[in-house]
Amino acid sequence: DAMVIQNPRYQVTQFGKPVTLSCSQTLNHNVMYWYQQKSSQAPKLLFHYYDKDFNNEADTPDNFQSRRPNTSFCFLDIRSPGLGDAAMYLCATSRDPPQPQHFGDGTRLSIL
Amino acid sequence: DAKTTQPNSMESNEEEPVHLPCNHSTISGTDYIHWYRQLPSQGPEYVIHGLTSNVNNRMASLAIAEDRKSSTLILHRATLRDAAVYYCILSLSNSGYALNFGKGTSLLVTP
Repeated sequence: DAMVIQNPRYQVTQFGKPVTLSCSQTLNHNVMYWYQQKSSQAPKLLFHYYDKDFNNEADTPDNFQSRRPNTSFCFLDIRSPGLGDAAMYLCATSRDPPQPQHFGDGTRLSIL
Repeated sequence: DAKTTQPNSMESNEEEPVHLPCNHSTISGTDYIHWYRQLPSQGPEYVIHGLTSNVNNRMASLAIAEDRKSSTLILHRATLRDAAVYYCILSLSNSGYALNFGKGTSLLVTP
């Protein structure tokens, strides 16, 4: 059974048109993470929520924002996607770090 | 910024043990060593993690050098399904144990 679910698996949007990616979890983990993985590169941490506390990585562009309305759901908002934002976006969850992270299978975002 | 160094690629025969090395010479005493792997078109999968002592689980073993400056992930009997990119990651106590992925080792398993 999928424990970290990302929808949709594939998302296409237009240059500059806002897009939201979603992640849900059935693990009741208190930490949720968003990573960006570009083609042939390693995943790069964008930000994470520790319970309701938002933690942004220093080099995450302002174009990227996140919301976590409750324990189970977390959203990644890209306000004005550029061509360089085309990537796989991965959601992960964990109990208190350094406990293992559980990843979803990602949403592949394409920008037209 | 503590980093890890891994070979770009390794190859193994099916049903043989695989030893994947990782160097992390800048590790501090409270930094954990994590291993994840990623199969094509999937999210990363947790393999194992440790702090100082060697660790075993159903997937693999982690051997940590006495000075902690290097570690080895051991797959005891490689299968074709173990072909993946294996990431050795230090989670740093001074950054909330966030995972900063390096380039990883691409493991090819041949029949």
